[in-house]
Amino acid sequence: DAGVTQSPTHLIKTRGQQVTLRCSPKSGHDTVSWYQQALGQGPQFIFQYYEEEERQRGNFPDRFSGHQFPNYSSELNVNALLLGDSALYLCASSFRVSYNEQFFGPGTRLTVL
Amino acid sequence: AQSVAQPEDQVNVAEGNPLTVKCTYSVSGNPYLFWYVQYPNRGLQFLLKYITGDNLVKGSYGFEAEFNKSQTSFHLKKPSALVSDSALYFCAVRDRNTGGFKTIFGAGTRLFVKA
Repeated sequence: DAGVTQSPTHLIKTRGQQVTLRCSPKSGHDTVSWYQQALGQGPQFIFQYYEEEERQRGNFPDRFSGHQFPNYSSELNVNALLLGDSALYLCASSFRVSYNEQFFGPGTRLTVL
Repeated sequence: AQSVAQPEDQVNVAEGNPLTVKCTYSVSGNPYLFWYVQYPNRGLQFLLKYITGDNLVKGSYGFEAEFNKSQTSFHLKKPSALVSDSALYFCAVRDRNTGGFKTIFGAGTRLFVKA
């Protein structure tokens, strides 16, 4: 049983560019959340997708957007990249009910130059 | 606003000794509380959670945590530490009243277990 997978593993972009990160949830999970983890900090909640809709959002600008597909996989898009967007981006999947724990992928390391 | 505080950046303990990693939280409603561990070059792994009921929660790898509502704390404990427990530990809170999976994480505590 595959766990949460993310692609790519690493990514280098320049300021102003756009990036798309991808996530496949653990088998049986229908909810995907995205987090940003800066160096030395805890993960910061970006947003959550369930039934192909954004359900909750953290304190991130509209440059951060996402999508969930019918097979529950998800994409995170970041436009107009800033140096401060450099971080590890984590995808977490879970099943529906909010008291369930999340299963995290290994992350995508984004570097903005 | 929800928040989580992990007051210690680092905890050092000798192998075989008990360990405690502290966590306090602030949430407007009743919380769901979680502990996750992050090993180098690996994703976060779930350790345990508090939903309701018994204040002492048992989790993976011999870890346990005690929910204290009056002190708004959820400290992680283990009776006998192993060198392999050395990792980065995160406490997290979710407000059950809002539903959803928005989870607030603490800044993390690095645990060093010395042989």
